[in-house]
Amino acid sequence: EAQVTQNPRYLITVTGKKLTVTCSQNMNHEYMSWYRQDPGLGLRQIYYSMNVEVTDKGDVPEGYKVSRKEKRNFPLILESPSPNQTSLYFCASSLSGEPYNEQFFGPGTRLTVL
Amino acid sequence: GQNIDQPTEMTATEGAIVQINCTYQTSGFNGLFWYQQHAGEAPTFLSYNVLDGLEEKGRFSSFLSRSKGYSYLLLKELQMKDSASYLCAVLDSNYQLIWGAGTKLIIKP
Repeated sequence: EAQVTQNPRYLITVTGKKLTVTCSQNMNHEYMSWYRQDPGLGLRQIYYSMNVEVTDKGDVPEGYKVSRKEKRNFPLILESPSPNQTSLYFCASSLSGEPYNEQFFGPGTRLTVL
Repeated sequence: GQNIDQPTEMTATEGAIVQINCTYQTSGFNGLFWYQQHAGEAPTFLSYNVLDGLEEKGRFSSFLSRSKGYSYLLLKELQMKDSASYLCAVLDSNYQLIWGAGTKLIIKP
């Protein structure tokens, strides 16, 4: 089944404790992206990757890191999480970096930072 | 600044028709997307418009007027499963996606 998977789905952590949210897609997509979604706000892009070893900042990259060593995986790293990073996070992928391609979203990771 | 406006919430009756509007002010325009998002789930693609006019896909249609900076999503023969949030997103001149906050649609029997 073609899908985007994220792990963990739910995470409660404390300020300053490094964490990684994994994202994997099995559709051989070139383009991958991370978003956060907060109540009353639209999806905001954190980082995106056009292909392996190519990553770029989105609208809200502060406090986050990413890597793209393999085509299928695009982990999101929070080196020192803070409470303002409590949010719902989505990973997404699309066939290519052509912006008109539809994006396929993972199921989401609900993160709480205490 | 760039802005996407959608109503926060709408209510409609099962079997009826509802129109969800989206207005945008962005630096350039390279297309508009509509996504559906059920509560607690991931957004899923509904439509992409880049030319003016109406595009129909089964019970769902999407309309675009670039001169007015306006789009709407039309849902016909509403079903309870259509209860969801509907997200409007615009591709700006830099091909960045600007997302609206979404419209929560509540369907009543």
